[in-house]
Amino acid sequence: QQQVKQSPQSLIVQKGGISIINCAYENTAFDYFPWYQQFPGKGPALLIAIRPDVSEKKEGRFTISFNKSAKQFSLHIMDSQPGDSATYFCAASKLSGAGSYQLTFGKGTKLSVIP
Amino acid sequence: NAGVTQTPKFQVLKTGQSMTLQCAQDMNHNSMYWYRQDPGMGLRLIYYSASEGTTDKGEVPNGYNVSRLNKREFSLRLESAAPSQTSVYFCASSEGRTSYQETQYFGPGTRLLVL
Repeated sequence: QQQVKQSPQSLIVQKGGISIINCAYENTAFDYFPWYQQFPGKGPALLIAIRPDVSEKKEGRFTISFNKSAKQFSLHIMDSQPGDSATYFCAASKLSGAGSYQLTFGKGTKLSVIP
Repeated sequence: NAGVTQTPKFQVLKTGQSMTLQCAQDMNHNSMYWYRQDPGMGLRLIYYSASEGTTDKGEVPNGYNVSRLNKREFSLRLESAAPSQTSVYFCASSEGRTSYQETQYFGPGTRLLVL
């Protein structure tokens, strides 16, 4: 059972355009929704994150929109640049029985920004 | 600070061989994690350690064992490698138990090929 569904699998955007990646989740126990960015040959790194009591969070050109009732959230990259070309993972976090917070990741979106 | 370090960077094994992947963090984090990343599958949790002295199974633990050697180090062992274990393995760490808004910090990964 895939707990976090991410789309599209790949995305090609012109420089200066808007990139949009969507995610949906089922488990209402999730209480934190981060996005991770991964460049080729590197480990993922936190990009931006949102709590479920907030509908939108913006950091520079990156914005998360969150719809709690629909159990959906999305990443918008404004004025996309070739340096944004990477794989993006949405994730959802919940407290595990062992007392740490576990992340469940979407399958990832490979973004290519072309000049 | 080196953050999260992993060794080796790349390894080729024959079916049936064993090996241990090493991970260390210098951020005084309580929680540590092992993930595997396969094309089109995202990141899947293998095992995690909420704190020193504890380990728990994640989503895909079969064929693996772990040891939390001390607060800094968390190793992943393949007792009898199989081609299905060909993957990129990432270690991550987080502060643990302080806040649901936790960031996981990832290492650079170990690429494993099982022939």
